[in-house]
Amino acid sequence: SQQGEEDPQALSIQEGENATMNCSYKTSINNLQWYRQNSGRGLVHLILIRSNEREKHSGRLRVTLDTSKKSSSLLITASRAADTASYFCATAPRGSGNTGKLIFGQGTTLQVKP
Amino acid sequence: NAGVTQTPKFQVLKTGQSMTLQCAQDMNHNSMYWYRQDPGMGLRLIYYSASEGTTDKGEVPNGYNVSRLNKREFSLRLESAAPSQTSVYFCASRTGTGGAGADTQYFGPGTRLTVL
Repeated sequence: SQQGEEDPQALSIQEGENATMNCSYKTSINNLQWYRQNSGRGLVHLILIRSNEREKHSGRLRVTLDTSKKSSSLLITASRAADTASYFCATAPRGSGNTGKLIFGQGTTLQVKP
Repeated sequence: NAGVTQTPKFQVLKTGQSMTLQCAQDMNHNSMYWYRQDPGMGLRLIYYSASEGTTDKGEVPNGYNVSRLNKREFSLRLESAAPSQTSVYFCASRTGTGGAGADTQYFGPGTRLTVL
């Protein structure tokens, strides 16, 4: 069974608008990561937030983590057509040690219209 | 650096045939992973190798075997392919050491496998 559930499953916005994707998970974690997947390609790492962090920024990306609600959000500001992709959250379960095991959500498909 | 490479890119098998998917990384990473991605789904972990010389089952290991041939290479074998194994297979690697970037996984381009 998958750890994460993402919401919405699909999102369509105009270029320049902000896009927000949410991820909920079930068990305690060491960290939560967000990945992007362009159509037909492998996944690319975007950002990692540790369990003791609440917010992190990287360029136009802002990630928040609420461990009490077991949820995270990814905000992409001033979106561009090139941001069109699927976005996945992935959690590293507490107790997984240094295995690096990740459990992925089902993803949000983002379409940014020019 | 090529990063993570996978071969083949595409494969069609008949039920009961066997094949090995190859994965190699040139980043001197310690850990390697095999995932499968079914349509509209996220990735599910099949097997992983946290370090050279070790392998462990992930979430969906049935029907698969793996070999960590050396630090660079991690192969996935389907002994008797079934239509339920039709999927896209991704290999990934991670350094596991060195601080901030230790947990980032780097993915290959994937192998698209169809089992008829």
